[in-house]
Amino acid sequence: AQKITQTQPGMFVQEKEAVTLDCTYDTSDPSYGLFWYKQPSSGEMIFLIYQGSYDQQNATEGRYSLNFQKARKSANLVISASQLGDSAMYFCAMSHQGGKLIFGQGTELSVKP
Amino acid sequence: SQTIHQWPATLVQPVGSPLSLECTVEGTSNPNLYWYRQAAGRGLQLLFYSVGIGQISSEVPQNLSASRPQDRQFILSSKKLLLSDSGFYLCAWSAQVPGTGESPLHFGNGTRLTVT
Repeated sequence: AQKITQTQPGMFVQEKEAVTLDCTYDTSDPSYGLFWYKQPSSGEMIFLIYQGSYDQQNATEGRYSLNFQKARKSANLVISASQLGDSAMYFCAMSHQGGKLIFGQGTELSVKP
Repeated sequence: SQTIHQWPATLVQPVGSPLSLECTVEGTSNPNLYWYRQAAGRGLQLLFYSVGIGQISSEVPQNLSASRPQDRQFILSSKKLLLSDSGFYLCAWSAQVPGTGESPLHFGNGTRLTVT
């Protein structure tokens, strides 16, 4: 069965430093996508970055990069130069049966000044 | 550009009362539409999924139902709310991408439902 695991309920990082949020997944689908979302305290879900299972290069979007290790079934999110506004819940998600996403339990990131 | 509207933002309803949450999408046609629920401090659980008008897939057995009367309108309903229906409900849309292409989900701002 498809599953997403985020083992870090909470993380702290100093402002301007980089932080890695862990995500591992399990699937029997040969083709899948991996996504990261940010959820501030206001509740909206903000799409950050996407990695396709057949993509050869790791995805990057500004300060966000996805460290995709297919053999280890991991898709960690790296945020460089953390800002106070990065404090939020972060969810890893995987596509399942074409279009639907299953989500991990999330990691709460707190950026300290 | 595409936008998604979801209302109301907050709702307090007594047990046994009906529910209707509405979601509309603008700026795109034939989207995939989704209803997710998020319990406090938890991940998102997919409730319903629709690929077209009148086509609804239910992911978990429950007290809720969904309908898609128009291409860009998705409605979440209940005839009688339970305490366990409390949560944060999020509507989302994605583009239908042929082949193995992926399209991210774009979420509305959510409805915080409290059943008392």
